[in-house]
Amino acid sequence: KQEVTQIPAALSVPEGENLVLNCSFTDSAIYNLQWFRQDPGKGLTSLLLIQSSQREQTSGRLNASLDKSSGRSTLYIAASQPGDSATYLCAVRPGNQFYFGTGTSLTVIP
Amino acid sequence: SAVISQKPSRDICQRGTSLTIQCQVDSQVTMMFWYRQQPGQSLTLIATANQGSEATYESGFVIDKFPISRPNLTFSTLTVSNLSPEDSSIYLCSVAVGQGTSSPLHFGNGTRLTVT
Repeated sequence: KQEVTQIPAALSVPEGENLVLNCSFTDSAIYNLQWFRQDPGKGLTSLLLIQSSQREQTSGRLNASLDKSSGRSTLYIAASQPGDSATYLCAVRPGNQFYFGTGTSLTVIP
Repeated sequence: SAVISQKPSRDICQRGTSLTIQCQVDSQVTMMFWYRQQPGQSLTLIATANQGSEATYESGFVIDKFPISRPNLTFSTLTVSNLSPEDSSIYLCSVAVGQGTSSPLHFGNGTRLTVT
């Protein structure tokens, strides 16, 4: 069974810093990997989707990379803002199911 | 993408009762899923809601406790039955939009359930 781990579990940075969130998965046989953002008590908002054939995807200040062979993905956030404070989750899709990571709780300090 | 409306957004229920959560999608989708997120935890898949047939439940989840209906390709309900405080969680409806294995997953805003 696919296991997805995210490190660190929590991260606190001053506003303006660039930061990297990590996601690792045990089985490289995936169709895609998706990054989400979750605000407290809310649902998940999709940020980026990387297909298995792709190496990275970019959206605004966000850049996600995928190294399928090593079972790793990173989410890079440039010039962090207080509004980026949320929990970030990654999910991998090996079939018709999606497996979620444990999440990284990000706090950006003004 | 898809717009997913989930109701209610939150509820407080007494133990022993049941809560039914509705999920409405603004377009027809094949794959619809129900997740549970316990406090401080990540998401756990409860079941895949299948249109016109019984839902496919994950290990540890049973139909008697979590009956699911999916009468058409835009709507589903999840009932959490015989509530206990351990059922206090956020319940999330999600859909995979588009065909094939490349389609992304989208979520409703979730239902925060508190059982007293």
